[in-house]
Amino acid sequence: QQPVQSPQAVILREGEDAVINCSSSKALYSVHWYRQKHGEAPVFLMILLKGGEQKGHDKISASFNEKKQQSSLYLTASQLSYSGTYFCGTEKETSGSRLTFGEGTQLTVNP
Amino acid sequence: GAVVSQHPSRVICKSGTSVKIECRSLDFQATTMFWYRQFPKKSLMLMATSNEGSKATYEQGVEKDKFLINHASLTLSTLTVTSAHPEDSSFYICSAKRAGGLAGGQFFGPGTRLTVL
Repeated sequence: QQPVQSPQAVILREGEDAVINCSSSKALYSVHWYRQKHGEAPVFLMILLKGGEQKGHDKISASFNEKKQQSSLYLTASQLSYSGTYFCGTEKETSGSRLTFGEGTQLTVNP
Repeated sequence: GAVVSQHPSRVICKSGTSVKIECRSLDFQATTMFWYRQFPKKSLMLMATSNEGSKATYEQGVEKDKFLINHASLTLSTLTVTSAHPEDSSFYICSAKRAGGLAGGQFFGPGTRLTVL
């Protein structure tokens, strides 16, 4: 079952923060976050495993709340290069590494 | 890094012909590769899981005889779209997962845009 991402789209000014959420109705083993720019392949950002994790690098971080089966991606002090569509991919314990992707969140960062 | 290449990047063919797309992991071994299809402004839809040395596992609704997958080595998987029709036009993307058994992300190739006339 496809995870639900929110919001569908967000527009920011450079330097502003954003949060993108990803919720699943199924028990998850891991959540993967990717960013895709128009016409290009998705780029891996990070993976969070069950057990409740929080990860980050630079100004992009994420958390995974196992109880709620929800992950959030945090973008702080956004840069123009952050623009793109963000996808979460969820993996169930029994899915054998197969990911189910959400519909995506389109992020636009303006100067 | 973890680099995955795809070839060709773009292909235009006539209806009824077959098209082969290659996916290679360049700097790591991948026992498992995945094939996705993506329509404009839509999400990635998993078509099949390709395992080195064994038959591919197809998702529900994906025709095995139409989308032939071969995973000949730890660095190469191919997807052949047989007897392509205009409705097969799409962006096909492969991804590869590092061998080793540890949890890790999938690394995507640059994609192949298929247009069937």
